[in-house]
Amino acid sequence: GAVVSQHPSWVICKSGTSVKIECRSLDFQATTMFWYRQFPKQSLMLMATSNEGSKATYEQGVEKDKFLINHASLTLSTLTVTSAHPEDSSFYICSARDEGINYGYTFGSGTRLTVV
Amino acid sequence: GQNIDQPTEMTATEGAIVQINCTYQTSGFNGLFWYQQHAGEAPTFLSYNVLDGLEEKGRFSSFLSRSKGYSYLLLKELQMKDSASYLCAVRDYAGNMLTFGGGTRLMVKP
Repeated sequence: GAVVSQHPSWVICKSGTSVKIECRSLDFQATTMFWYRQFPKQSLMLMATSNEGSKATYEQGVEKDKFLINHASLTLSTLTVTSAHPEDSSFYICSARDEGINYGYTFGSGTRLTVV
Repeated sequence: GQNIDQPTEMTATEGAIVQINCTYQTSGFNGLFWYQQHAGEAPTFLSYNVLDGLEEKGRFSSFLSRSKGYSYLLLKELQMKDSASYLCAVRDYAGNMLTFGGGTRLMVKP
C-alpha cells in the first residue's frame, strides 16, 4: 500500500529559529501534497497545497513567508517554519495525493512541533 | 466556501452502536470521507461515499444523502479501542482539496 513518511516525528526548537519538516511518498509519485496544522482538540486545518515544480497555494490567513513550502520532486515536499514562535507549536501533518490509493489521500504520521 | 458540522463529543458503551452525524454546506462536492484519528497520530481512512446510500465495511458503515448535505458514520459492536476522534471531510468539486469538519471525540465506556 501507499506510504508517506514524515520526518521528524517531533521537534523542540527555540524561539526565532527555523525548523524543516519533510514529507516523502515512498512507493508512489505525488504531484500534489497538502500541509495541515492541528491544534489540540481541534480538527485539521489546511495550510497550503504543494504542487511539484510550482509555487504552493496558501490558504487565507497562512503567511507564506513564514511557512515556506518546497516541492522539488515527485516524492518530496518540505515545510519550513521560519522564525518560530511559541504560538507555532502544533501538530503538522502532510498528505500526498494519489488517485486509487485510499481514494486519493495518504497521510504522513505527523510532526509535533514545540517552540520554547 | 465550505461549512462542515459534527458534534464535538459523544459517549457510548462498549458493545453498543453509535451514529456520528455530519452535515455540510459546500460550494462544490466530489465525495465525503470519514477518518479515525487517535491522539497524536495521523488520520486513518475509514470510508468514502460519493453516491447516495450506505457503504458497509465490517463494523463500520457510512451513509450519504447529497440532497440533504448529510452523512453519518455508524459504528457497531463498539470496542474500547474505538475511543478516538472521527473526522468528516468533503472533497471539492475539482476533486483535489479536502476540507475537514471539527471532528467528533468518541469515548467508549465499559
